[in-house]
Amino acid sequence: SYELTQPPSVSVSPGQTARITCSGDALPDQYAYWYQQKPGQAPVLVIYKDSERPSGIPERFSGSSSGTTVTLTIRGVQAEDEADYYCQSADSSGTYVVFGGGTKLTVL
Amino acid sequence: QVQLQESGPGLVNPSQTLSLTCTVSGGSISSGAYYWSWIRQPPGKGLEWIGYIYYSGSTYYNPSLKSRLTISVDTSKNLFSLKLSSVTAADTAVYYCARGPNKWYFDLWGRGTLVTVSS
Repeated sequence: SYELTQPPSVSVSPGQTARITCSGDALPDQYAYWYQQKPGQAPVLVIYKDSERPSGIPERFSGSSSGTTVTLTIRGVQAEDEADYYCQSADSSGTYVVFGGGTKLTVL
Repeated sequence: QVQLQESGPGLVNPSQTLSLTCTVSGGSISSGAYYWSWIRQPPGKGLEWIGYIYYSGSTYYNPSLKSRLTISVDTSKNLFSLKLSSVTAADTAVYYCARGPNKWYFDLWGRGTLVTVSS
């Protein structure tokens, strides 16, 4: 079955830039999406279609894509950004949805 | 604004059927503008997509759950439902319902409901 691979954890100091990667063989063919999940809360969409930002999501969140890897970048990280981040996409045929394993972002 | 609310038993016996409902308020499932999905998250683990339904009743399920899964829609009540049969402890999770502008992502989620499979 198709998998998306994320690093388990990323740590940054406040004000720095956090980059969270997600790798998958079908990413050149399928859009990627990113969700932020804080403890005890439902996930929130922060990036769609690789690099689009939903309304209400701060400009410091951005997404990019290169080959089989997509990246969520958070510039000027704030304490409130500490959360789990999940990438999500579809298999190469666009048939079913897959989530990455999640990355815990720690703000030091 | 549109809200999604999951409801159903919080405890299910092993080998029984897990049944949940997602009620949509502030918008109509029948608009046809969205797909409606179920996603689950075992305690302390990651997200797993379960399946989706369109207002017309067309569905697609996660192949790993397909043999045990039924998702249905009731447009008259503006809700959609999940039934997962022959559950085991591995089905213990927070179950979320979610809305998708297309089949492949989710722009609005319910708050989730914890379902524990145990005798």
